[in-house]
Amino acid sequence: GIQVEQSPPDLILQEGANSTLRCNFSDSVNNLQWFHQNPWGQLINLFYIPSGTKQNGRLSATTVATERYSLLYISSSQTTDSGVYFCAVENTGFQKLVFGTGTRLLVSP
Amino acid sequence: ETGVTQTPRHLVMGMTNKKSLKCEQHLGHNAMYWYKQSAKKPLELMFVYNFKEQTENNSVPSRFSPECPNSSHLFLHLHTLQPEDSALYLCASSQATSGRTDTQYFGPGTRLTVL
Repeated sequence: GIQVEQSPPDLILQEGANSTLRCNFSDSVNNLQWFHQNPWGQLINLFYIPSGTKQNGRLSATTVATERYSLLYISSSQTTDSGVYFCAVENTGFQKLVFGTGTRLLVSP
Repeated sequence: ETGVTQTPRHLVMGMTNKKSLKCEQHLGHNAMYWYKQSAKKPLELMFVYNFKEQTENNSVPSRFSPECPNSSHLFLHLHTLQPEDSALYLCASSQATSGRTDTQYFGPGTRLTVL
């Protein structure tokens, strides 16, 4: 099956810093989503981005499908950005999201 | 608020108990999903339902039995579980057409502990 790798596994930032999270995947996809899981376990969808670039406030994401990677940018980080960020992909023709292992982010004040 | 609710939020059960998890979505979606999240592991898809029909069973043991009476409700019936089944169980919903999933929306999860 398709493999999804995220880096870095852990990241510690000072409030106000910027960061880039990476997601690599091993096969062609028709669907890529980024999620944030808060410390209470709630998963929130950040982006639906099988290709191209999207921005939402301080967050933006870029997927280069031909090169099989996606990047999530967090600018001017805040303590509320802490949690785990997951990338999930779906192979063409399969209704099945495969999740990466996540990047655990801690933003300190 | 995500439009997907789950009950109970926490559950402790013995290995001989029978319990059920409930999920309800208020988003008008046609697909619903059960995921399992164990410590230190990625989310694992368990079941997929489209228009009440099960379309994916990701090699889940039979002690987990899903039920989808309509497009808005999804249950996970649990019986004779093992301690290694302790995990966060997440429900999600989305629109889905022709084997392709739209944005998935997750419930808050049920944290299950099996003693």
